[in-house]
Amino acid sequence: GESVGLHLPTLSVQEGDNSIINCAYSNSASDYFIWYKQESGKGPQFIIDIRSNMDKRQGQRVTVLLNKTVKHLSLQIAATQPGDSAVYFCAEKWGTSYGKLTFGQGTILTVHP
Amino acid sequence: DAGVTQSPTHLIKTRGQQVTLRCSPKSGHDTVSWYQQALGQGPQFIFQYYEEEERQRGNFPDRFSGHQFPNYSSELNVNALLLGDSALYLCASSSVKSTDTQYFGPGTRLTVL
Repeated sequence: GESVGLHLPTLSVQEGDNSIINCAYSNSASDYFIWYKQESGKGPQFIIDIRSNMDKRQGQRVTVLLNKTVKHLSLQIAATQPGDSAVYFCAEKWGTSYGKLTFGQGTILTVHP
Repeated sequence: DAGVTQSPTHLIKTRGQQVTLRCSPKSGHDTVSWYQQALGQGPQFIFQYYEEEERQRGNFPDRFSGHQFPNYSSELNVNALLLGDSALYLCASSSVKSTDTQYFGPGTRLTVL
């Protein structure tokens, strides 16, 4: 779950398309997962979260899917807009942790008008 | 309803100096976590404060210390600054009733010369 370097995965989509951002998490004991959006020069912004006793959760234009068998998390954004362009991070909290979030490396989403 | 605030926005220091960063949590929150985010990477957990005590710590040296005040605001102190301490320092707040959901502030950009 530690970030590994400067070469972030990138996803480029057209406005109106659906986007899917993937994340592999590290610890099978993690019980909580969260997606953040970070725009340049700003702090991470909460998007949606999910607990390990669920496999799907929906929000406004966003859906998070959790596959505990393969330790995989995805964020689906419907009808992607230029304002969705940002870096997206997944984070996990281990069950024994008070509140430490361990972040993935991030994915750069670029939405073309 | 004010979100998480941090000060200062930017800071420039030289090697060996000491720095103090400040954070005010979101209204209704009582727990503060600090993260360090190097350029192009995900945030790394430094520590978390609750009831004026450090209750969890990440893999950071003792040069990094903190404090939480009775009004739940918090400070991060870094002594003997190194060039590698240059980063975006993020504060996140949460409620002990829902410790898992952390909301981030805009961050303080620290540059060490």
